[in-house]
Amino acid sequence: AQKITQTQPGMFVQEKEAVTLDCTYDTSDQSYGLFWYKQPSSGEMIFLIYQGSYDEQNATEGRYSLNFQKARKSANLVISASQLGDSAMYFCAMREGGTNFGNEKLTFGTGTRLTIIP
Amino acid sequence: GAVVSQHPSWVICKSGTSVKIECRSLDFQATTMFWYRQFPKQSLMLMATSNEGSKATYEQGVEKDKFLINHASLTLSTLTVTSAHPEDSSFYICSAIPGLDNNEQFFGPGTRLTVL
Repeated sequence: AQKITQTQPGMFVQEKEAVTLDCTYDTSDQSYGLFWYKQPSSGEMIFLIYQGSYDEQNATEGRYSLNFQKARKSANLVISASQLGDSAMYFCAMREGGTNFGNEKLTFGTGTRLTIIP
Repeated sequence: GAVVSQHPSWVICKSGTSVKIECRSLDFQATTMFWYRQFPKQSLMLMATSNEGSKATYEQGVEKDKFLINHASLTLSTLTVTSAHPEDSSFYICSAIPGLDNNEQFFGPGTRLTVL
């Protein structure tokens, strides 16, 4: 079974609108972390936001927020007031097994290509 | 934030040759670095975990004799693709963790390998 599922291969959004990118995950661990990365056409991976499984509040970083629904095992990324520069691939990733040393490796989803329309 | 560099940014080589890719943490020490491979329009797949001073840990299905990893210092890990073939053409990305807080994993800019 896929550990990280991103069901939206591509999305087109009008500039200045908000957009939600879906991510569901599968793990039996109680302690885990969820990440979102942005990959522009240049290829670099840019860290956006992190949510720990024990964090009670949804993570926010500027225009990015993570809608964490633990019971549903979903960690959707919300981008408010989208900008042309937000056009990129977006990857959801998970780290399993808590924050102990040796548990840092990430499993990535297949990504969503977001295109912002002027 | 922490900076990770990769060299070269792109390389074209002939089939059968070996190619070395360097991953450096520029402003921090990294006991652990990771090597990922990304085929066109696909996700990142972890190849191996590179540990300073010890052998790398390879993911299932990754040939350790073909993808040699050397983590010689706390700021440098190298990936050598030996006897490269066209199917090894891919985007190779490394990442590193600057400290004990493993909520921050910083990625290099990637190396695009094309094997003719």
